[in-house]
Amino acid sequence: EAQVTQNPRYLITVTGKKLTVTCSQNMNHEYMSWYRQDPGLGLRQIYYSMNVEVTDKGDVPEGYKVSRKEKRNFPLILESPSPNQTSLYFCASSLLGATNEKLFFGSGTQLSVL
Amino acid sequence: DAKTTQPPSMDCAEGRAANLPCNHSTISGNEYVYWYRQIHSQGPQYIIHGLKNNETNEMASLIITEDRKSSTLILPHATLRDTAVYYCIVRKRDTGRRALTFGSGTRLQVQP
Repeated sequence: EAQVTQNPRYLITVTGKKLTVTCSQNMNHEYMSWYRQDPGLGLRQIYYSMNVEVTDKGDVPEGYKVSRKEKRNFPLILESPSPNQTSLYFCASSLLGATNEKLFFGSGTQLSVL
Repeated sequence: DAKTTQPPSMDCAEGRAANLPCNHSTISGNEYVYWYRQIHSQGPQYIIHGLKNNETNEMASLIITEDRKSSTLILPHATLRDTAVYYCIVRKRDTGRRALTFGSGTRLQVQP
């Protein structure tokens, strides 16, 4: 089944403790992206990647890192999490250049930073 | 990307067609209309998109007015599982970061 898989689904951590949220897609998509969703603010793009080793900042990249060493994986790294990074996170992927280009989203990671 | 305006909420009876409107009066010629939905706190799900012509797929139909300033998403036979927030998004087909701007959307409640 074609899908974007995020792990973990829920994560509670403390301020300053480094964490990684994993994202993997099995559709051979070139494009991958991370969003965060907060009440009243909608979904905002954090980082995106157009292909392996090609990443760039979205609208709210501060406090986050990403890497794209393999086409299928796009982990989100919080080196020193803070409470304002408490949010619902989504990974997404897409083919590039297709006529019906569309984003496939993962099921989300609810992060709480205490 | 052009802004969109959607009603905050709508109700629909199960088995009936759900018609969700979207206004995008500032849309430009190279911008597409996309529809996504989000069920509770799950990841958004692509529904359909179009440029000028009406489109239909297994999930829904998209009707775009001739002047392209508004569109309607039609779910032909709504079920309880269609209860969700529906987002109308206008976006250029570009080579850039492809960020989607999700507004407030329309919360569709399908009633039994």
